[in-house]
Amino acid sequence: GAVVSQHPSWVICKSGTSVKIECRSLDFQATTMFWYRQFPKQSLMLMATSNEGSKATYEQGVEKDKFLINHASLTLSTLTVTSAHPEDSSFYICSGEKDSQETQYFGPGTRLLVL
Amino acid sequence: GQQLNQSPQSMFIQEGEDVSMNCTSSSIFNTWLWYKQDPGEGPVLLIALYKAGELTSNGRLTAQFGITRKDSFLNISASIPSDVGIYFCAGQLSSNTGKLIFGQGTTLQVKP
Repeated sequence: GAVVSQHPSWVICKSGTSVKIECRSLDFQATTMFWYRQFPKQSLMLMATSNEGSKATYEQGVEKDKFLINHASLTLSTLTVTSAHPEDSSFYICSGEKDSQETQYFGPGTRLLVL
Repeated sequence: GQQLNQSPQSMFIQEGEDVSMNCTSSSIFNTWLWYKQDPGEGPVLLIALYKAGELTSNGRLTAQFGITRKDSFLNISASIPSDVGIYFCAGQLSSNTGKLIFGQGTTLQVKP
């Protein structure tokens, strides 16, 4: 199998604070990890592609200084939402690409609520 | 940007019925993936398709990679209540980036 975990599963924070979300591939090494956000009743929107040991590639319209991504190892990527605002409230989901299989396996998601 | 058109948007069926949903695009894809997402959870991979014309089954699920590489369908036979959820197709344009483009999703409800 290919298991991806996320922590925390949900978080409530005050406006202006920063929140870090961890994404781990538990039984495989993920050279590439992806971060998505999903609003209610909508599809997944890719935010950025994270490659181990290099800078993340952000999708158009995603602020790299607001959504900091670090991919320090082959099993861990983190997304930090800096100076969070209520409009950042969403469901954040990561995925890991199993090497050479061209298939992404998703984590269970992190629900962020900014008050 | 590229888009996937997934249909139908929603389905409400009786338990035991067969279900079919599909995705189409104006772009050619190298890979087609089908995922199911339950409320509050991440998508779970159902079937992965890597070659044009490929027909793959996973239990009661069958999916095909269209011969033109611009479409794919997913069939669910003899639906059961636990099939309820949102089904997403996803296509990968290039294996270099690994980026997936998602369809809008098909919400399936099954009446026992």
